[in-house]
Amino acid sequence: GAVVSQHPSWVICKSGTSVKIECRSLDFQATTMFWYRQFPKQSLMLMATSNEGSKATYEQGVEKDKFLINHASLTLSTLTVTSAHPEDSSFYICSARESWGKSSYNEQFFGPGTRLTVL
Amino acid sequence: GENVEQHPSTLSVQEGDSAVIKCTYSDSASNYFPWYKQELGKRPQLIIDIRSNVGEKKDQRIAVTLNKTAKHFSLHITETQPEDSAVYFCAARLGSGSARQLTFGSGTQLTVLP
Repeated sequence: GAVVSQHPSWVICKSGTSVKIECRSLDFQATTMFWYRQFPKQSLMLMATSNEGSKATYEQGVEKDKFLINHASLTLSTLTVTSAHPEDSSFYICSARESWGKSSYNEQFFGPGTRLTVL
Repeated sequence: GENVEQHPSTLSVQEGDSAVIKCTYSDSASNYFPWYKQELGKRPQLIIDIRSNVGEKKDQRIAVTLNKTAKHFSLHITETQPEDSAVYFCAARLGSGSARQLTFGSGTQLTVLP
């Protein structure tokens, strides 16, 4: 159980285009989903936290107008990189957590990541 | 917010030896400390975790210790094998309810030499 999928697994796009990445919890309901960015040989940096049905909370330095997050249902969150530029090339990983009401220590389950390359 | 520091950044050990990775955290309110293993281009995989009300936890060759007073926790891998080679991340979780989020350490590249 507790499977998180991401689509696409990799994408190459031209500078200036927008890219949408989907994150799905396949066998559980995720009240909260997290989006991370990871540059080569670096740690996971939290970009934003999204709660179903409400606006995402962005970390300092992350442009919310550039990285649009929609958490429309308990099993789906999307990240749209708008007007992508080469510096946005990175590994984007989502993670999902079950409804916090069940336990105070629910594990986060990670998606397989999306490799974005902007030419 | 929380700040997690991880050392060393790289670690090479001979197969069969032990490996120890250490992390410190800044916020004494953090209550959950997972460790993840990440192979190149793949998702982080939880390998062990510890709650703030426990001082040590072991799972076969892997153990984690937590010192709340000193605000540090460590990962111990015994009898290392080549397949243990990967990047390991520690993390600390701060906050309650829907605001809980993980802060990751900078990672340790572990290489187990055959």
